[in-house]
Order: sequence, then C-alpha cells, then structure tokens
Amino acid sequence: ETGVTQSPTHLIKTRGQQVTLRCSSQSGHNTVSWYQQALGQGPQFIFQYYREEENGRGNFPPRFSGLQFPNYSSELNVNALELDDSALYLCASSPGGANYGYTFGSGTRLTVV
Amino acid sequence: SQQGEEDPQALSIQEGENATMNCSYKTSINNLQWYRQNSGRGLVHLILIRSNEREKHSGRLRVTLDTSKKSSSLLITASRAADTASYFCATDALLSGSARQLTFGSGTQLTVLP
Repeated sequence: ETGVTQSPTHLIKTRGQQVTLRCSSQSGHNTVSWYQQALGQGPQFIFQYYREEENGRGNFPPRFSGLQFPNYSSELNVNALELDDSALYLCASSPGGANYGYTFGSGTRLTVV
Repeated sequence: SQQGEEDPQALSIQEGENATMNCSYKTSINNLQWYRQNSGRGLVHLILIRSNEREKHSGRLRVTLDTSKKSSSLLITASRAADTASYFCATDALLSGSARQLTFGSGTQLTVLP
C-alpha cells in the first residue's frame, strides 16, 4: 500500500507566475484535500475534492484552483503568484466518510521571489 | 483562520518523562485528531477521537476530549528523543454534503532531551 506522493518537493517561482503542484493519493482513498502551511503556523484548508468535484473550500481566492482525476490523483494550481504564497503545500487523502484520519504527503515547499 | 489553540507553544522535557499538550477549539466537531510533524515535513496521523468519546489510548498516547469545555489533551508517556516534533490538534467538521474540513491549531513544539 503506497502513501501519498507529492511533486515536486521544492519549487522557486517569480511573483506573477503560475504553478502546478501534483499529488497521488493513497490507494483506496477517493478524497483529496489541499492545505497551505506558512512557516511556524498550522496548516490551513484550501479545498477538498471528492470523485473529481470540488466539494469544499476554505478562505482562499479563486486563483487557487484544483483538479482531481479518475484515479483520484490531484493537482493544485495557483495563478498570479504573490510573495505571501510562499509556504509548504500539503496534500492529504482519506477514504471518504466521517471519522477517518487523513494520510498526508511530505509536501511541496514553494518559494515565491 | 485557526480553530484551535495548543498549549503550551513549546515544551522541553527529559527522556522518560511524560509530555502533556492541550488544545482548545471553538465550534462543534465531528471528531478531533492529533498529528505529528517533523521539521516542516508531512503530517503523520496519530490518533482520532470521536465527539461522543471521552478518552482513547494508542500505545504510549492517551487522548481526552471534553466537548462541554471544547478542549482536548494529548499525553505521551515515557517520552523518547525520537518524539521530538511539532504536535497539532485538528478538529474535523462537516462543511456540507460529504465535504469535511480539518482545522488545525498552531501546534506545540516538543523537545525531548536525551
């Protein structure tokens, strides 16, 4: 059973550019969530995908968007990057339904300069 | 925004001692989870306690939940140097339909000295 895999591990982008981060969910998990973690803070919920549809969103602007594919892998896209977007981006998968823990990937460290 | 707050923000103990971390939250929950994070890497799920449970054990971990006070505690017994990490509580609530959201606190940095 594989865990959650994220790519790339590190990324440096220039302000105004666009970025795509990728996540392969754990086998058997149909729900994927994305989180942003600024240095020294707890993760903040961006959005959740279930069966290829976004079914929940946190307090993030529309320039944060995503996709989920039929194999339940997922992408996070961020347009018009800002310096404050510099953070660790975490993907988490779960089997869906209530009362299951999440399996997190190791994250993508994004630096915007 | 952060739902919960962990207390203390930092904790330093000797190997073999017990470590207790507390978490408070604000809204109603489906369950509460504790996670561990080493040096800014991914989070590892430690334990989940449902809203109708009061106490749960897993190995050296003991978690309590008091929904009337909207608080939880994590106890790590007989700590080891390898337990050094940041510990986060996260409340799990339903948004709408099947959507769930984990809301994390700001974490407790635990240092276990050998």
